[in-house]
Amino acid sequence: KAGVTQTPRYLIKTRGQQVTLSCSPISGHRSVSWYQQTPGQGLQFLFEYFSETQRNKGNFPGRFSGRQFSNSRSEMNVSTLELGDSALYLCASSFDLGGRTGELFFGEGSRLTVL
Amino acid sequence: GENVGLHLPTLSVQEGDNSIINCAYSNSASDYFIWYKQESGKGPQFIIDIRSNMDKRQGQRVTVLLNKTVKHLSLQIAATQPGDSAVYFCAEILGTALIFGKGTTLSVSS
Repeated sequence: KAGVTQTPRYLIKTRGQQVTLSCSPISGHRSVSWYQQTPGQGLQFLFEYFSETQRNKGNFPGRFSGRQFSNSRSEMNVSTLELGDSALYLCASSFDLGGRTGELFFGEGSRLTVL
Repeated sequence: GENVGLHLPTLSVQEGDNSIINCAYSNSASDYFIWYKQESGKGPQFIIDIRSNMDKRQGQRVTVLLNKTVKHLSLQIAATQPGDSAVYFCAEILGTALIFGKGTTLSVSS
C-alpha cells in the first residue's frame, strides 16, 4: 500500500511569493491534515479536511489556506511568503480522525525555504 | 499555548538499556494521548496510544503509562536498539487536531 506522498519535497522561494504544496493520502483515507514543523515552534497543526470540507483550523494567519479534492488529494497554499514561513510542511492522512483515532500516517514533508 | 510538553529535550542511552521518555500535560480534560517517533528526514510515525480510562498500555517493546493525578505520561522502550534513535513526541487530540509536545531526542549508542 503506497504511503502519503507529498510534492515537491524541497523548494526555495523569495519573500512575497506564494507556494502550493500537494499531498496524496493513502488510498481509502478521507481525512487529510497539514502540520508545520520548525525548530522553534515544533509541530503545529494547520488544518484538517474531510470529504472536501475543512473541519478544523489551527492558529495561523489567513495567508495559509488549503483545500481537498473529491479524490481526497489535498493542497495547501501560502501567499505573500515571509522568512518565518520556512519550515517542513507535513501532510498526514487517516481513515477518519473524527472517529477519535490518533493514528495518522505522515508523508515525508515538503521543505520550504524562504529567502 | 501548548497543552502538552516534555521534561527533557535529549536522552542518551546504551544499546540494550531501557529508555523512559516523559511528557507532562496541563489540560485535565485531556482524555486521549498518542506517542509518535520521527526519524531524521522522515515524517512522524505512530507508536502507541492510550485513553484516559487506562493507566497502562503495552505494545511491542513499548509501554505507555498514564498518571492522571499528576497529569503525566511516559513512554518506556525496552532493550533500546540503535534503530530507536529518533525524536519522540507525545500528543493529545483536540477536536480533529493533534497537539504535539516539543519532543525528546533519543540517542542510542552501541
